Amino acid sequence: DAGVTQSPTHLIKTRGQQVTLRCSPKSGHDTVSWYQQALGQGPQFIFQYYEEEERQRGNFPDRFSGHQFPNYSSELNVNALLLGDSALYLCASSLPHRGNNEQFFGPGTRLTVL
Amino acid sequence: DQQVKQNSPSLSVQEGRISILNCDYTNSMFDYFLWYKKYPAEGPTFLISISSIKDKNEDGRFTVFLNKSAKHLSLHIVPSQPGDSAVYFCAASEGNNNDMRFGAGTRLTVKP
Repeated sequence: DAGVTQSPTHLIKTRGQQVTLRCSPKSGHDTVSWYQQALGQGPQFIFQYYEEEERQRGNFPDRFSGHQFPNYSSELNVNALLLGDSALYLCASSLPHRGNNEQFFGPGTRLTVL
Repeated sequence: DQQVKQNSPSLSVQEGRISILNCDYTNSMFDYFLWYKKYPAEGPTFLISISSIKDKNEDGRFTVFLNKSAKHLSLHIVPSQPGDSAVYFCAASEGNNNDMRFGAGTRLTVKP
């Protein structure tokens, strides 16, 4: 049973560009959350998708947007990249209305903005 | 605004001894607390949690203690093993299915 998978593993972009990160949830899971982990910090919640809609959102600007597909996979899009967007982006999946202790994280995508 | 703080970036202990990792929070609305373990190149994995209606929760070698009045929790690992070497994150949420706030993590090294 594949766990949460994310692609790509690493990505280098320049300021002002746009980036799309992808996440496939664990088999049977239909809720996907995205987190940003800057160097030396803990993960910060960006947003959560369920039934193809954004259900919760953290304190991130509109440059950060997402999408969930009918197969429950998800994309995170970041527009107008800033140097400060350099981070590890983590995706986590779960079943709806289940606890945070039942979220499974992927290995992350390392984004570097030059 | 860091609502969850782990003030020790690193901790080193001898194999077989106790590891104590600490976490403080400021938001009194938090009522569910979790510890995650993270190995390099892997995502965080859930370790143990505690609800605010309890002050202690045990799972094998891992015990989490919650002091609500001090807004403080700690993770005890007894006995510590070299395989426990990882970064440990403390997290808190309002309810068990709302967005979590994470601390910055503590890197634990268990020496053989």
